Amino acid sequence: SQKIEQNSEALNIQEGKTATLTCNYTNYSPAYLQWYRQDPGRGPVFLLLIRENEKEKRKERLKVTFDTTLKQSLFHITASQPADSATYLCALVFTSGTYKYIFGTGTRLKVLA
Amino acid sequence: GAGVSQSPSNKVTEKGKDVELRCDPISGHTALYWYRQSLGQGLEFLIYFQGNSAPDKSGLPSDRFSAERTGGSVSTLTIQRTQQEDSAVYLCASSPWGAADTQYFGPGTRLTVL
Repeated sequence: SQKIEQNSEALNIQEGKTATLTCNYTNYSPAYLQWYRQDPGRGPVFLLLIRENEKEKRKERLKVTFDTTLKQSLFHITASQPADSATYLCALVFTSGTYKYIFGTGTRLKVLA
Repeated sequence: GAGVSQSPSNKVTEKGKDVELRCDPISGHTALYWYRQSLGQGLEFLIYFQGNSAPDKSGLPSDRFSAERTGGSVSTLTIQRTQQEDSAVYLCASSPWGAADTQYFGPGTRLTVL
């Protein structure tokens, strides 16, 4: 069966450390992978997109890697801050036929001051 | 500019009633998506509109769910004969060109079916 998994448990880290979130999938071949941030009671907010032929993407304190052999993406937040506390969702994007997004259940990150 | 708006923000209804949820996408965005998010769950894709093309309805969970997009702008998601398992937050998103483009999400409509 097709599956997309993110760290099911909440991730607590100390302020200033690097947070690493994992997105694993099976039996998919996405063209793109996206990461979103979602705060309680709000809709997700887009952070980064990485294409299947890209290994790494950076934006300010954020870094995403994409390994299509391992079928895994890692999302890193360096120099983490309490304001980074939120739920982070990964989404696989498929472009055969119509475009479709499949989201993971998200990982809740808490950065401790 | 204005973001994606959804109405109502909260809706409480009785089992068996019909409900309509509205989404106003960002002006000029050609793609519009509906998702459902149940407590502790990821986003479940429901339906996708791209320009004037026929929508991709493959995610609609049953024939009680339908959606339309008038004039390539506003969209309405209708749930007929609501059931308690329909309780969730319904999120709408739009993007300029569709596909792998950034999706801009609305705040969602929290639907509670009693």
